[in-house]
Amino acid sequence: DAKTTQPTSMDCAEGRAANLPCNHSTISGNEYVYWYRQIHSQGPQYIIHGLKNNETNEMASLIITEDRKSSTLILPHATLRDTAVYYCIVRGYSSASKIIFGSGTRLSIRP
Amino acid sequence: DGGITQSPKYLFRKEGQNVTLSCEQNLNHDAMYWYRQDPGQGLRLIYYSQIVNDFQKGDIAEGYSVSREKKESFPLTVTSAQKNPTAFYLCASSIEDNDQPQHFGDGTRLSIL
Repeated sequence: DAKTTQPTSMDCAEGRAANLPCNHSTISGNEYVYWYRQIHSQGPQYIIHGLKNNETNEMASLIITEDRKSSTLILPHATLRDTAVYYCIVRGYSSASKIIFGSGTRLSIRP
Repeated sequence: DGGITQSPKYLFRKEGQNVTLSCEQNLNHDAMYWYRQDPGQGLRLIYYSQIVNDFQKGDIAEGYSVSREKKESFPLTVTSAQKNPTAFYLCASSIEDNDQPQHFGDGTRLSIL
């Protein structure tokens, strides 16, 4: 399964867009890119996922490069409640293809 | 409300004791998972199950056991063979399709007395 590389930490001013990068250079053609976030001592929360095209939902936007080797999660108007660890993972076709959670990016939103 | 329920939220284990962590889901998902998270680290897969009465070892299965007698339940037993059990344990479930996200419970924090 493909692994991902993310910066250890980032910060962003409240009200600005937070752009979180992720590299997944060994991603396979049928693997989706998923983003989750985890607030301290809670279970990870699903944010968004995509295969090839850019995706947007009420929480965020996901931009995937044309070669699919990297992606960016965009939180358009960051708030203090967006402070969390953000995980980028890739997922194969079935649960038998193990999902690998790396250490993620710790995002801090400053007032 | 559909979701995943883990209990208890906090659990203490004595040396040499087995403990069982509960995970129940009412999402009608076929696949269920157990992860372990240590402080400042990502999640590591312990066991997963794609269907009732079947389960597979993940990356760190030693010292753990599971059962999947019912679709909605996937309990994890931390045995005395697990020498470093103090961690945050997370259960998840999903539809057996990579176009569907995993849903996580709120975790159980296990500590050694």
